[in-house]
Amino acid sequence: NAGVTQTPKFRVLKTGQSMTLLCAQDMNHEYMYWYRQDPGMGLRLIHYSVGEGTTAKGEVPDGYNVSRLKKQNFLLGLESAAPSQTSVYFCASIPSGTGGLAGAAYNEQFFGPGTRLTVL
Amino acid sequence: RKEVEQDPGPFNVPEGATVAFNCTYSNSASQSFFWYRQDCRKEPKLLMSVYSSGNEDGRFTAQLNRASQYISLLIRDSKLSDSATYLCVVNLSGGYQKVTFGTGTKLQVIP
Repeated sequence: NAGVTQTPKFRVLKTGQSMTLLCAQDMNHEYMYWYRQDPGMGLRLIHYSVGEGTTAKGEVPDGYNVSRLKKQNFLLGLESAAPSQTSVYFCASIPSGTGGLAGAAYNEQFFGPGTRLTVL
Repeated sequence: RKEVEQDPGPFNVPEGATVAFNCTYSNSASQSFFWYRQDCRKEPKLLMSVYSSGNEDGRFTAQLNRASQYISLLIRDSKLSDSATYLCVVNLSGGYQKVTFGTGTKLQVIP
């Protein structure tokens, strides 16, 4: 099992450019998440998905869009990148377990290796 | 007050020392608690869940104090390989979107 993979690993964008970050997991996990990690801020949830075809906003969704057309993939899009979006982006997945989404709160999160994005 | 607070450190300790980290949380209704470890420029990985009765995994012991709203992590006989940032994670049951990460406590174990 590859676990959770992310592409690309690094990217430099100019302000106003667009890009898509791909997260893929081969563990058949139901729930997938996108976080950003900034110095002194901790990980903050951008968007999440509780299943194929579903997405929902997290704590800091502005400027980002997501899609989950296939269960194993969760895409994060930046339509018009801004310097404030310079960050490290982590994808994570969680098995559903028992109790649905509430039960997922007790399960381990499996993280991808991260994407380091710089917006100039 | 932040929802989850940790002392950022760094904690510089010699090999073999015992070190303890605390993490305070603001929501008394929080239901699940974790410690994650994050190595430099790597992704977070689960170290251990924290149970109400406290739990131990080898040299690591986690405790939960609901009355004072904090969790702790104790590392005994520190190894060089323990050097990392330790993240406190607190979830409010009823929806995964309630998960909150602390900013992490950096540990440096010195030879």
